[in-house]
Amino acid sequence: AQKVTQAQTEISVVEKEDVTLDCVYETRDTTYYLFWYKQPPSGELVFLIRRNSFDEQNEISGRYSWNFQKSTSSFNFTITASQVVDSAVYFCALSEASGAQKLVFGQGTRLTINP
Amino acid sequence: DTGVSQDPRHKITKRGQNVTFRCDPISEHNRLYWYRQTLGQGPEFLTYFQNEAQLEKSRLLSDRFSAERPKGSFSTLEIQRTEQGDSAMYLCASSLGLDLFTDTQYFGPGTRLTVL
Repeated sequence: AQKVTQAQTEISVVEKEDVTLDCVYETRDTTYYLFWYKQPPSGELVFLIRRNSFDEQNEISGRYSWNFQKSTSSFNFTITASQVVDSAVYFCALSEASGAQKLVFGQGTRLTINP
Repeated sequence: DTGVSQDPRHKITKRGQNVTFRCDPISEHNRLYWYRQTLGQGPEFLTYFQNEAQLEKSRLLSDRFSAERPKGSFSTLEIQRTEQGDSAMYLCASSLGLDLFTDTQYFGPGTRLTVL
């Protein structure tokens, strides 16, 4: 069975600090997909990134970067120079490569950026 | 592009009543998913449609739950004889479903159900 663990329930930092959100996953599949979603107070899940298991290149998008390490089954998310607008709950998710490709989510990390 | 829309956004009902939620996916998206999210938890998969065919249902989806996507466009999720444990946010997502290597689910704003 697939499982995603986000050990950090809540993180609080001061604006402009860098912050890393951890994600560890379990799967028996050799091909799978990993995702990060952001859920602001409004409640809608906003897609941030998708990573295929056969692509271990790290990715940077503006202040956001993702570190995928297959050897440790981790897919961590770093926000550089955090801003108050980054405050939200962040979810890491895993899906199978075939069939429904349903998402298995972690329990989320609530990130609070204080001014 | 118009995103995924859900209606209503909030629903308060009494235990034992039936409720129905609607989801309108992104235009031309073939796949439609329903998830349930309880407070402080990540969303959990309920069911999925490829066009009008319901291809997978979670064990979370008891006999009181039924979902349809009659013409492969919008979908409805009905809960019969609601229980307090049904209180949750019900999220709908859609994806193009053409290239599984790049397929991504986009979520609607959700319907928050409160059962009194």
